[in-house]
Amino acid sequence: AQSVAQPEDQVNVAEGNPLTVKCTYSVSGNPYLFWYVQYPNRGLQFLLKYITGDNLVKGSYGFEAEFNKSQTSFHLKKPSALVSDSALYFCAVRVMDTGRRALTFGSGTRLQVQP
Amino acid sequence: NAGVTQTPKFQVLKTGQSMTLQCAQDMNHEYMSWYRQDPGMGLRLIHYSVGAGITDQGEVPNGYNVSRSTTEDFPLRLLSAAPSQTSVYFCASSYRGGGEPQHFGDGTRLSIL
Repeated sequence: AQSVAQPEDQVNVAEGNPLTVKCTYSVSGNPYLFWYVQYPNRGLQFLLKYITGDNLVKGSYGFEAEFNKSQTSFHLKKPSALVSDSALYFCAVRVMDTGRRALTFGSGTRLQVQP
Repeated sequence: NAGVTQTPKFQVLKTGQSMTLQCAQDMNHEYMSWYRQDPGMGLRLIHYSVGAGITDQGEVPNGYNVSRSTTEDFPLRLLSAAPSQTSVYFCASSYRGGGEPQHFGDGTRLSIL
């Protein structure tokens, strides 16, 4: 079975400060890892993914994430937060080399960036 | 380029009624799936399809049916609506590759009275 944990329901950060949204995962096998963002009354939008290779992955809107195999983590980061980054963020995992392409999502973390 | 289109956007049903949530994609994606989103629970997989004519159950399939007669369309049917099915429903699609990201529709907000 695969699972994802996002330990923080909400993260508050001041505009211009760095932000981190935490994610840990559990899978049997090598993972595909994803971050998605959801704005109010919209579907999820893809931010970035880790498949293999460099542990630091860069994505849309200045976001990046670091894959840490030993800690089974995939934290989302941004050097300087914007008010417009305020949204709901989801981490998701899928196991490689299986026919099942379904994602398992974390419960989500609401990011609030204050002006 | 419409992407993934879901209809309706909102719906209110009475307990016991049936309805179909529509999902269509214009990206020629083989893989399509339905999720429900409930507060504090993330998204949970209901049903998915790896191609026309092929469907399978996800994590929470009870009370829902699907079919995939074409590559483009993947409707979700509620057979006899129950208040526990009040939720926001999302359809998603992707290419065959396991590392390909899924593209999501904007959701259907469903209330069962």
